Amino acid sequence: QVQLVQSGAEVKRPGSSVKVSCKASGGTFSGYTVSWVRQAPGQGLEWMGRVIPMLNRGNYAQRFQGRVTITVDKSATTASMELSSLRSEDTAVYYCARDVILTPVTRYFDLWGRGTLVTVSS
Amino acid sequence: QSVLTQPPSVSGAPGQRVTISCTGSSSDIGAGYDVHWYQQFPGTAPRLLIYGNIDRPSGVPDRFSGSKSGTSASLAITGLQAEDEADYYCQSYDNSLSASVFGGGTKLTVL
Repeated sequence: QVQLVQSGAEVKRPGSSVKVSCKASGGTFSGYTVSWVRQAPGQGLEWMGRVIPMLNRGNYAQRFQGRVTITVDKSATTASMELSSLRSEDTAVYYCARDVILTPVTRYFDLWGRGTLVTVSS
Repeated sequence: QSVLTQPPSVSGAPGQRVTISCTGSSSDIGAGYDVHWYQQFPGTAPRLLIYGNIDRPSGVPDRFSGSKSGTSASLAITGLQAEDEADYYCQSYDNSLSASVFGGGTKLTVL
């Protein structure tokens, strides 16, 4: 049974960058894409972007364009999300999620990591 | 502001039936993209509850059901139980944004 294991909590200064990893324990991401979703304190879920492991190419939400980079290693076992130019509003729990694309109109997240808290504070 | 619109809260007594709506537009649900639902307890990751509008992953009780019509979708929970108290999110895809999108979430309170 595949589990997504994320790296630990981070505290960052405004203006710096953070990189969060997500390992597929017990399997790989082959055949899937990997998305990152964040949740600010007391707020809802926000999709940030996804990576296609076979191509290692990212597709990002407009509001994160230029600030986020999502990659996956060559073995398709570990995905990473790097967010730069951090500000206090980026304080959130960041989740990786296995992204199932069954058909062009059916794409959902069937497996989630436990989340990584990123705190941005001076 | 979320692309998909959900009521902030719903409530019901044990044993009752509640529904949670999810309203989109012609570029997401109305464009034919499927709707999926997630359940989230405080301090934990979301869990897939319904996918492809109506299907349940194994392990999800049949008290949970989904439907979709036009630019909207609904999640119904019958035989409400105290353990159902959680936040529920709908999710779809928006072709004008080329992005997966979520509703703002609905907090279910079991009275």
